[in-house]
Amino acid sequence: DAGITQSPRYKITETGRQVTLMCHQTWSHSYMFWYRQDLGHGLRLIYYSAAADITDKGEVPDGYVVSRSKTENFPLTLESATRSQTSVYFCASSESGTSNYEQYFGPGTRLTVT
Amino acid sequence: GQQVMQIPQYQHVQEGEDFTTYCNSSTTLSNIQWYKQRPGGHPVFLIQLVKSGEVKKQKRLTFQFGEAKKNSSLHITATQTTDVGTYFCAGQLAGGTSYGKLTFGQGTILTVHP
Repeated sequence: DAGITQSPRYKITETGRQVTLMCHQTWSHSYMFWYRQDLGHGLRLIYYSAAADITDKGEVPDGYVVSRSKTENFPLTLESATRSQTSVYFCASSESGTSNYEQYFGPGTRLTVT
Repeated sequence: GQQVMQIPQYQHVQEGEDFTTYCNSSTTLSNIQWYKQRPGGHPVFLIQLVKSGEVKKQKRLTFQFGEAKKNSSLHITATQTTDVGTYFCAGQLAGGTSYGKLTFGQGTILTVHP
């Protein structure tokens, strides 16, 4: 059972480049989330999705785009990377229809924008 | 918007000492979850509290949810080196449709000196 995977695990890109971070889950969870983690800020929600083709902004969505054409995939795109987007990015998923919204996190992608 | 504040940001303890981290929300929560992130790892779910005044224990860990459902704490008795990591609280807003969305505290980084 692969669970939830992210790729790449590490990425270095230049300012202004477009970069896409991939997230894939094998549980058929309806809900998926993208967070960024920066020291002193904890985990901040970028975008989330309640189902395929349903997405909404989180706390820090500017500069990011998401799509969810299939339940199992939730890619995050930085349209024109900036140094302030250097961070560790976590994807997470959770079940729908239950009272327990425990989130399962992927291993993370460490992104450096130079 | 909803804010979840967590203190302290850092805590250094000697092995065997106790440790407590506190979490406060600006709004009433439906439930609160706690996650642990080992150094270099991803957040892993520990527990969820739902009821006002609820107390749950997991071995040396004690979790409390405040009567007003706006604050929570995690207490570790007799810390061990395996307890090192960052502990996050995460609250789900009461009422409305939140799609399982959580607001994370900034986290407490725990260091245990042997």
